[in-house]
Order: sequence, then C-alpha cells, then structure tokens
Amino acid sequence: TQLLEQSPQFLSIQEGENLTVYCNSSSVFSSLQWYRQEPGEGPVLLVTVVTGGEVKKLKRLTFQFGDARKDSSLHITAAQPGDTGLYLCAGDPGATNKLIFGTGTLLAVQP
Amino acid sequence: EPEVTQTPSHQVTQMGQEVILRCVPISNHLYFYWYRQILGQKVEFLVSFYNNEISEKSEIFDDQFSVERPDGSNFTLKIRSTKLEDSAMYFCASSEERGSNQPQHFGDGTRLSIL
Repeated sequence: TQLLEQSPQFLSIQEGENLTVYCNSSSVFSSLQWYRQEPGEGPVLLVTVVTGGEVKKLKRLTFQFGDARKDSSLHITAAQPGDTGLYLCAGDPGATNKLIFGTGTLLAVQP
Repeated sequence: EPEVTQTPSHQVTQMGQEVILRCVPISNHLYFYWYRQILGQKVEFLVSFYNNEISEKSEIFDDQFSVERPDGSNFTLKIRSTKLEDSAMYFCASSEERGSNQPQHFGDGTRLSIL
C-alpha cells in the first residue's frame, strides 16, 4: 500500500515567517500534486511536479520533487494570513490515474 | 476559469435509502473521478471513469456504488442502499487527459449525511 505522510500535521506561525511542509513516502510516484483546501471547499490545485529534482515556484511558494520521486516539499516565504488552509500532497503511483492523498498539513498564519 | 460543479452541496438521507450525487465536469475534460473524505480523515480515491467505462476502482467502491454519465455533461455517483459509514464529503474531479502530469480539478464537494 502506497502512503504519503505529511509533516508537520499542524503549523501555527506569525505573518512574515518562512515555513516548509514535507510529503514523504517509501514508494516512487510518477508525479506529485499539491493542493490547498479551505473549509467547506474542494482541493484547489497549486502545482504538479513530474521530474525528479524538479523545482517549481508559484509567487512565494516553492515546490520541490525529490530526486528519487519519493518525496516533495513546499516552502512558503514570508507567510501571510491568506496562506492559511489545509495543504495536501497527492501522488500518482503511475499506470493509473488515481491520486493517493497525503495526511495533510493544517497551516494557520496569525496576523 | 472553468470549474467542476457538484450538486447538492449537502444531502441528508435515511439509512438504507438510495442517493445520487451529481457532478458537471469541466467541458473539454475526458477523465472523471470520485473521491471521498470522511470527517478528519484523508481524501480517498473511489473510482475513475473514461469513455463510458470504469477505468479503476478502489476496494471502497463495492456493489452498492455505481457511476454513470447519463448525458454529455453530467457524471453521477449512486449509492444504492446507504449505510451510516457512507457519511462523508464526496468530491468529483476531472482531468483533460490521462497521464501522470495531468492535473485533476476538484469540485467543492457534496456533504452526505446518513441518519
């Protein structure tokens, strides 16, 4: 069974701080997608990483896919209250189109 | 920006009753999915659908579940005889093509409450 473990589970920081969220597995994934989910809404896609070692930037968010395609990280620079939400990584094991979701990281950015 | 829409947003049903959850995927997308999220737990894959056939299903998707694309726009999930443990958020998603780099776009979900 392929699992994606995210850490930390909860993170409460002050506005302006930097943070990193980790998504780890013992399995290889063809790709990893990062989503953000607000209460009462569906996951909203932030980025897809496909190539081992790939780094993608989305404004203050930097996403990295591990060289072995077993892990990924999301780094937020100068966090803002609008970044508050549940961050989910989701992996495609390959040869299927189903996504395996991580356990989630709940981020709260205090003004 | 095109989006996946789901109705109803909240469905309350008596145990043992049938329920149909509806989704309108993004119009040029060819692959459709249902996921569920039990309160406090991870999002779980239920089923994927392409070309009017189920592509893959999880062990959760037993004989009580079925999916259908009754017309050119709707994609439905039916639970034939609901159980208490079916209470969850159900998310529909769609993607343009198949492939590991194809993003899946999610609707806002239907909250299903079984009494």
